[in-house]
Amino acid sequence: AQKVTQAQTEISVVEKEDVTLDCVYETRDTTYYLFWYKQPPSGELVFLIRRNSFDEQNEISGRYSWNFQKSTSSFNFTITASQVVDSAVYFCALSEFNNAGNMLTFGGGTRLMVKP
Amino acid sequence: DAGVTQSPTHLIKTRGQQVTLRCSPKSGHDTVSWYQQALGQGPQFIFQYYEEEERQRGNFPDRFSGHQFPNYSSELNVNALLLGDSALYLCASSLKQAIYEQYFGPGTRLTVT
Repeated sequence: AQKVTQAQTEISVVEKEDVTLDCVYETRDTTYYLFWYKQPPSGELVFLIRRNSFDEQNEISGRYSWNFQKSTSSFNFTITASQVVDSAVYFCALSEFNNAGNMLTFGGGTRLMVKP
Repeated sequence: DAGVTQSPTHLIKTRGQQVTLRCSPKSGHDTVSWYQQALGQGPQFIFQYYEEEERQRGNFPDRFSGHQFPNYSSELNVNALLLGDSALYLCASSLKQAIYEQYFGPGTRLTVT
């Protein structure tokens, strides 16, 4: 069975600080996908990134960066120079390659509060 | 380009009643998934529909059922509502061949009293 753990339930930072959100996953499959979603107060999940299990290259998109390490089963998310608009709940999710479908298994989420 | 839409936005039901939630996928998408998100928790997968058939199901009782229509829209039905069914119900759509990119709707907030 697959499992995603986000140990940090809540993080509070001051604007312009860097912050890293941790994600650890468990899966028996060798082929899988990892995701990060952002959920603002409006409730809609916003897709941020998808990585497959064969691509361990780190990725940077503006102030966002992701560090994928298969050796530690981690897929961490860093926001550089955080802004108040980054305040939201962030979810890490895992999907195993499966021709029958593609269910997402989510972690419990990390609530990020960025104070001005 | 319209994204995923869900109706209604909010719903209040009494224990034991039945409820139907609706979802219209993003334009061009043919696959719909449903998730339940209890307060303070991550979403949990209920089931996924493609070509009008349930293709994958999570660990939910038979009280939860669904349907997909020829226009790819979908319904989620929950019978014999329990207090524990109170949650945000999220619909996600994708293209079968690009199924790993799922786009979520704003959700329906269901309260069971």
